[in-house]
Amino acid sequence: DQQVKQNSPSLSVQEGRISILNCDYTNSMFDYFLWYKKYPAEGPTFLISISSIKDKNEDGRFTVFLNKSAKHLSLHIVPSQPGDSAVYFCAASGDNYGQNFVFGPGTRLSVLP
Amino acid sequence: GAGVSQSPSNKVTEKGKDVELRCDPISGHTALYWYRQSLGQGLEFLIYFQGNSAPDKSGLPSDRFSAERTGGSVSTLTIQRTQQEDSAVYLCASSLAQTGSNSPLHFGNGTRLTVT
Repeated sequence: DQQVKQNSPSLSVQEGRISILNCDYTNSMFDYFLWYKKYPAEGPTFLISISSIKDKNEDGRFTVFLNKSAKHLSLHIVPSQPGDSAVYFCAASGDNYGQNFVFGPGTRLSVLP
Repeated sequence: GAGVSQSPSNKVTEKGKDVELRCDPISGHTALYWYRQSLGQGLEFLIYFQGNSAPDKSGLPSDRFSAERTGGSVSTLTIQRTQQEDSAVYLCASSLAQTGSNSPLHFGNGTRLTVT
């Protein structure tokens, strides 16, 4: 039973447009959320985080939105660039301890030039 | 090196053989984690080390899996009597401290294990 779901296995977006990657979770105790990005043959790299005291966190072209009542978060990339093409994982935890983060299955983003 | 180093990058082994996967974390990182990613799945937590001790082994899928960490640095994940369902990418990560959002995980490039 997946506690963290990313229901879109893949997403294609035109360069310059907005990419929206969605993540849903089932555990209402989750308070800390991370997004990681993974290129082929490389390990995931940390992208951005949010905790439940906020509903939005922004870092350059990347913004994460959290809707705790809906148990939903999304990652917005604006404007999308071809170098953003990668697999994006969201992860959630109730206590912010590294080992307790539960990862979703990932969404493969393709940004088309 | 600057990042987390894992070896080998690829390993093909016959069913029933033992394998050893190595992880060299970022210098100074006290926390070390092992995950595996099977095809189409998210990252599955296996085990976590704080220094040399493993307070959480809850993710190890069976007693064929074991891990150790020596000198607060290099870690080895051992899989005995490998089975085909062990085929996956095994990822190691380290972090400066135990927290997630304040001290994100730094991942290695993984070891792709194929059991034939």
